[in-house]
Amino acid sequence: GAVVSQHPSWVICKSGTSVKIECRSLDFQATTMFWYRQFPKQSLMLMATSNEGSKATYEQGVEKDKFLINHASLTLSTLTVTSAHPEDSSFYICSAGSGGAYEQYFGPGTRLTVT
Amino acid sequence: AQRVTQPEKLLSVFKGAPVELKCNYSYSGSPELFWYVQYSRQRLQLLLRHISRESIKGFTADLNKGETSFHLKKPFAQEEDSAMYYCALSGGGSEKLVFGKGTKLTVNP
Repeated sequence: GAVVSQHPSWVICKSGTSVKIECRSLDFQATTMFWYRQFPKQSLMLMATSNEGSKATYEQGVEKDKFLINHASLTLSTLTVTSAHPEDSSFYICSAGSGGAYEQYFGPGTRLTVT
Repeated sequence: AQRVTQPEKLLSVFKGAPVELKCNYSYSGSPELFWYVQYSRQRLQLLLRHISRESIKGFTADLNKGETSFHLKKPFAQEEDSAMYYCALSGGGSEKLVFGKGTKLTVNP
């Protein structure tokens, strides 16, 4: 089956620094990747849709300058949390779609803690 | 607007009992409905989708457009079914998923 990996699985950073999270589709090409945020005991909230070779589409209320998304290849999308603050601490999950199948394959998530 | 409602945050049943996890949706067009499951310490994975009309691990779900529901059912719950279940919707040709808040199912021995 299709596998999506995320790196790192967890990261602790200081307030004001930037953190990059990678999302890779290991055995298929992903034309579209999605970035979600999940607060403790809450559902996944879509942050943005990442399309290979074009700008990401952000959901309403998500700061595009704070959450930079790059989808430079069909197997890699990155999310950079810039100038992180403690309120950015969360579980970030990516998923990848192979296009047209309406099925998304999820990564294991990245736990970000900003101190 | 697209919205998915899972009215039960927690659901607890005994092994062998029937289980139904409720999901209602709001969408003006023809939606694609999914159930995703997240077992403890594992990633989210697709359980089933309405277009395939298949049964996975004994679970079934029927799309009821009149009631705008997509309830997940299993006649005899097993302990290994204990997990977090999310109902999700996509529509309009988009791959974007809108998730419900999830229901935590616990199957007691």
